[in-house]
Amino acid sequence: DSGVTQTPKHLITATGQRVTLRCSPRSGDLSVYWYQQSLDQGLQFLIQYYNGEERAKGNILERFSAQQFPDLHSELNLSSLELGDSALYFCASSVLSLRAGFAGELFFGEGSRLTVL
Amino acid sequence: LAKTTQPISMDSYEGQEVNITCNHNNIATNDYITWYQQFPSQGPRFIIQGYKTKVTNEVASLFIPADRKSSTLSLPRVSLSDTAVYYCLVPTGGGNKLTFGTGTQLKVEL
Repeated sequence: DSGVTQTPKHLITATGQRVTLRCSPRSGDLSVYWYQQSLDQGLQFLIQYYNGEERAKGNILERFSAQQFPDLHSELNLSSLELGDSALYFCASSVLSLRAGFAGELFFGEGSRLTVL
Repeated sequence: LAKTTQPISMDSYEGQEVNITCNHNNIATNDYITWYQQFPSQGPRFIIQGYKTKVTNEVASLFIPADRKSSTLSLPRVSLSDTAVYYCLVPTGGGNKLTFGTGTQLKVEL
């Protein structure tokens, strides 16, 4: 158990809909990262927050948004869903904001599997 | 910008040593290099991290040459349970911060 909790574990919805994925980081971790993993694909970095502020942005679509709340949990909002958005969405957390010069480990949750029909 | 690249797949047998290389040509001066293991439908798990030369822990070794443009994860005496996808992570080396390498599917057979 990594200590990172993601809900829901599974979600099935229809095209055009909007969903919210939730992540609770490990106790004490200030940084949250979101990744998308489509079937048999690698891990695509979406966005990172550190202590409530956006710190880095990857290949995140304009239809997607995220935020980190004062209690440090984070939510990833996916709207106007398309079939291609079906994927595993992982949240990870770390104590520090991992970037050049900062060693550290990412702790991943078990993911939220989104299926868009 | 160059991506962080790895071989797509590798096959091995139980008891053998496996070496997986990651190329990160545009690694930043202060980047640490980290390797993760991922089983199907699970989140990646940390294996090992290093900055230069060699690092060893209870499960793996990490070799980093002087120019740091590549790194090699070494798994001694693999077992069937080591069958997984292995990813390297270089914070700025992929040109897109915190992007993982392309991943290597390791298959271990009897």
